[in-house]
Amino acid sequence: NAGVMQNPRHLVRRRGQEARLRCSPVKGHSHVYWYRQLPEEGLKFMVYLQKENIIDESGMPKERFSAEFPKEGPSILRIQQVVRGDSAAYFCASSRGATNEKLFFGSGTQLSVL
Amino acid sequence: RKEVEQDPGPFNVPEGATVAFNCTYSNSASQSFFWYRQDCRKEPKLLMSVYSSGNEDGRFTAQLNRASQYISLLIRDSKLSDSATYLCVVNRGGSYIPTFGRGTSLIVHP
Repeated sequence: NAGVMQNPRHLVRRRGQEARLRCSPVKGHSHVYWYRQLPEEGLKFMVYLQKENIIDESGMPKERFSAEFPKEGPSILRIQQVVRGDSAAYFCASSRGATNEKLFFGSGTQLSVL
Repeated sequence: RKEVEQDPGPFNVPEGATVAFNCTYSNSASQSFFWYRQDCRKEPKLLMSVYSSGNEDGRFTAQLNRASQYISLLIRDSKLSDSATYLCVVNRGGSYIPTFGRGTSLIVHP
């Protein structure tokens, strides 16, 4: 499967714990986007990364959320001290380039905070 | 005004009907436009790109109106399998961040 791989598919955390969501882009893609989707809502942009660089994090909450895309390995979205409001579907997408490129999405991680 | 706005619907149509959705965007510098489809909150999948000259793919036709800042999607001869949420995507002008509309729900019934 050469598509975008996200894991885990489902993640359950208790309030105050940390959540780590992983995303491996399509082979050869160096642009990664993270989106969050709340129930009955659209996809909200969180962060755009290229290898080893955060290009735009204007959609990321200022606290508790961080993202990285290291030279080797998957992109990671990290949420510290989760709260119930963090419960959502988190989708990762990758593209080959930055300009006018279509996105390929992973199956998403459904985060549930108890 | 939201960056990308769509009528959430639902649009409830019989099989064989023709249905059209519009999507408006606020940033006149936006440069690329897409329609995606999302089924039951699974991952979005690209339906088609939207070109300035308009484009057609089988039963689907997409149009762009830059002057009025909207894009449209026309579905002819609707099938039951077309039932889904259709997401309008506009690249934020200058930064190329794909911005999603909330989506329009389509229900095609027998």
